[in-house]
Amino acid sequence: GQQLNQSPQSMFIQEGEDVSMNCTSSSIFNTWLWYKQDPGEGPVLLIALYKAGELTSNGRLTAQFGITRKDSFLNISASIPSDVGIYFCAGQLVGDMRFGAGTRLTVKP
Amino acid sequence: GAVVSQHPSWVICKSGTSVKIECRSLDFQATTMFWYRQFPKQSLMLMATSNEGSKATYEQGVEKDKFLINHASLTLSTLTVTSAHPEDSSFYICSARSGQGTGNTIYFGEGSWLTVV
Repeated sequence: GQQLNQSPQSMFIQEGEDVSMNCTSSSIFNTWLWYKQDPGEGPVLLIALYKAGELTSNGRLTAQFGITRKDSFLNISASIPSDVGIYFCAGQLVGDMRFGAGTRLTVKP
Repeated sequence: GAVVSQHPSWVICKSGTSVKIECRSLDFQATTMFWYRQFPKQSLMLMATSNEGSKATYEQGVEKDKFLINHASLTLSTLTVTSAHPEDSSFYICSARSGQGTGNTIYFGEGSWLTVV
């Protein structure tokens, strides 16, 4: 089921701008995952976070696992047109996994 | 990174027929795989959790007799849409869990487009 609150739902930004999106939950998780989905394709894993407080980067992407274990954020710096897509967060606790509704990112050249 | 492959990528079938979609983990063993359905411009909707060697666990509202899931090996899960109807047309995605405990990660397949005519 989908019990994560992901915001914003959509973003329209200019190329070169930084982007920030986040997910919050009323439940704690022991893993936070961030994915990007291009139209007509399956989600691709961007960053995996396994420890509260963990801050991990992948190129221009940075994500953090919130200290309370109930939230996570993803930042994209210096956006480029190919960053367009839908970004999903996912929280996992043992066998249970929840997804956010996604953030649809549009980057204007 | 780990690779999960789905086949076919797209399929067109006639109403009333059944169609099978395969999900394979190519470089890791997956005791747990997941099947999702996604409508245009919407998020992933979990249909069922597939555990190797046991029956799948279906989410509320998903008909288990219509969406048959078989997880016969550690690298393969199949979803069979039985007696397909046009409203079953959708994008179906699988994912597989790599690793165990707190260090596991979920990888997704490329998705399969089903069109029922």
